Amino acid sequence: EAGVAQSPRYKIIEKRQSVAFWCNPISGHATLYWYQQILGQGPKLLIQFQNNGVVDDSQLPKDRFSAERLKGVDSTLKIQPAKLEDSAVYLCASSSTSGRWLAKNIQYFGAGTRLSVL
Amino acid sequence: TQLLEQSPQFLSIQEGENLTVYCNSSSVFSSLQWYRQEPGEGPVLLVTVVTGGEVKKLKRLTFQFGDARKDSSLHITAAQPGDTGLYLCAGARGYGNKLVFGAGTILRVKS
Repeated sequence: EAGVAQSPRYKIIEKRQSVAFWCNPISGHATLYWYQQILGQGPKLLIQFQNNGVVDDSQLPKDRFSAERLKGVDSTLKIQPAKLEDSAVYLCASSSTSGRWLAKNIQYFGAGTRLSVL
Repeated sequence: TQLLEQSPQFLSIQEGENLTVYCNSSSVFSSLQWYRQEPGEGPVLLVTVVTGGEVKKLKRLTFQFGDARKDSSLHITAAQPGDTGLYLCAGARGYGNKLVFGAGTILRVKS
């Protein structure tokens, strides 16, 4: 079974520029998550989708960050305009909504996109 | 404020030594997960503990969930260089599979 795919792997931009990240979750996984992982910290949830609906975006800086999952499969996270403090690894994860409770709580992560804002 | 506190932040040991990593919180979690993350990769789930007092073993790794479901520990016996990585604990609260991660423990095992 293919894992969570993310692209690009690396991105370097200057502050005030825009950037977009793409994620394709594991086939059949209804729930998709975007996390921000700043160096030296654990991942912080930015937004959670179930199918194409937003479940939680309470920690998404909505003045500059946006995310969509229009067809309930792949997703895009955008930053516009970027700030220096946005330098981080952006991780996408997915989980299933079927099966036993324990299985539904397993999140599978992609390798992430490392963003450097100069 | 970190909801989950992990300690130590960094651990460098020799191959064959034992170690314990701690994950503490003042909050109760419905479950707690441990992940290992290698450089350039996403976190990979090692174990999920659900019941207070639960102990799970995965080869040389032993995971324990506190009786009150607020803390957890990971013990590695006879560490090997392949155990090197970032160990993250993550607590789940309520509905929706939302996870809160600790800052992680960086483990380096030298041969």
